[in-house]
Amino acid sequence: EVQLVQSGQEVKKPGESLRISCKGSGYSFTTYYISWLRQLPGKGLEWMGRVAPRDSSTEYSPSFQGHVTISIDKSFNTVYLQWKTLKASDTAMYYCATGDRAWTLWGQGTLVTVSS
Amino acid sequence: EIVLTQSPGTLSLSPGERATLSCRASQSVDSGRLVWYQQKPGQPPRVLIYGASIRATGIPERFSGSGSGTDFTLTINRLEPEDFAVYYCHQFTGSPWTFGQGSKVEVK
Repeated sequence: EVQLVQSGQEVKKPGESLRISCKGSGYSFTTYYISWLRQLPGKGLEWMGRVAPRDSSTEYSPSFQGHVTISIDKSFNTVYLQWKTLKASDTAMYYCATGDRAWTLWGQGTLVTVSS
Repeated sequence: EIVLTQSPGTLSLSPGERATLSCRASQSVDSGRLVWYQQKPGQPPRVLIYGASIRATGIPERFSGSGSGTDFTLTINRLEPEDFAVYYCHQFTGSPWTFGQGSKVEVK
């Protein structure tokens, strides 16, 4: 089955670090960019950045540059989204997505809650 | 950054009616890089239209997209109960890639 499977829900405190994951299967993992997107509670979608599986190069939205890190482990067909220092404002649903001319394949989402 | 403005914010319609959703860009968008997504509560988005007017695999014919430049439209003919959801336009012409704020189609 072609799918992206994300890691489970996380509850963290402000200042803590976190890495969530997105594992692809059932398709050629290196074919398309994989992006991360954020959806704040009750709000719309925001593109955070992407990684090119072929060469592991990354590109970030200026809104997220410097606050998160996107990385990839091609041996595990897995992409990561990492924070060194979480803030309460990072509380959101995070999705990974991939595709050619559109994001046709999405992960199920990872809910991250940051609260003291 | 290309800002996408969707209207209306909320559209209240009955099943069987037509929904017309607008997406206006702050600068010209390559039509090949304009996408419409549908999102239902608790689910990730689903692609409906890509390349401004091409229905994605499995998307019913009642969904259609049109437009070019800075003005794009998603039309849903004869709303079905499962069509009541939030719709987002998205562009990846210029970085950062951006979304409209969403249009909610709700049951009247």
